[in-house]
Amino acid sequence: GQQLNQSPQSMFIQEGEDVSMNCTSSSIFNTWLWYKQEPGEGPVLLIALYKAGELTSNGRLTAQFGITRKDSFLNISASIPSDVGIYFCAGHPDGANNLFFGTGTRLTVIP
Amino acid sequence: ETGVTQTPRHLVMGMTNKKSLKCEQHLGHNAMYWYKQSAKKPLELMFVYSLEERVENNSVPSRFSPECPNSSHLFLHLHTLQPEDSALYLCASSPWTSGSSIQETQYFGPGTRLLVL
Repeated sequence: GQQLNQSPQSMFIQEGEDVSMNCTSSSIFNTWLWYKQEPGEGPVLLIALYKAGELTSNGRLTAQFGITRKDSFLNISASIPSDVGIYFCAGHPDGANNLFFGTGTRLTVIP
Repeated sequence: ETGVTQTPRHLVMGMTNKKSLKCEQHLGHNAMYWYKQSAKKPLELMFVYSLEERVENNSVPSRFSPECPNSSHLFLHLHTLQPEDSALYLCASSPWTSGSSIQETQYFGPGTRLLVL
């Protein structure tokens, strides 16, 4: 099946620092989505991207749909303790109905 | 609160038990999904229902049996599970536009944490 490579697998950062994570695929995607999952909960949608080159913000979060349509990144500025969780990228490959997920980036913010 | 609820939140069952997971969405969507989330693995799509018809069954063992009585409710019936079936089971919903190439964003419930003994 489709594989999404998400990196880094985990991050330990100090409160106030900026965070960057990315997701790459071997094939073209039509949509890129970023979700956050906290312990004991389901993934919650953060940002959805539908067009190559699109740059979208949601508060301190910014995500971009790569021009090649094979990658996306998520940035978090001025991290706070409640940013802790696992961040998943997901997307729909060109010509496919299913949503594929990355393996997640586990973020730990040290106060 | 994403508009998708799941019950129970936690379930412990023996291998010979029969149980059911329930999902309900309040978003007016017409597609619903079951995913399995195991540790250190990507989410695995199990079933997709669109307009109450199953459109996807990703080679899931028959001990998992889905049911979608209407567009707001989705069940996953469990029977004679194995310990390796222990995982977080997530339900999601989305709009579904038949024939459209634009895929719709999915919204997830909080999941049912299942432990099979």
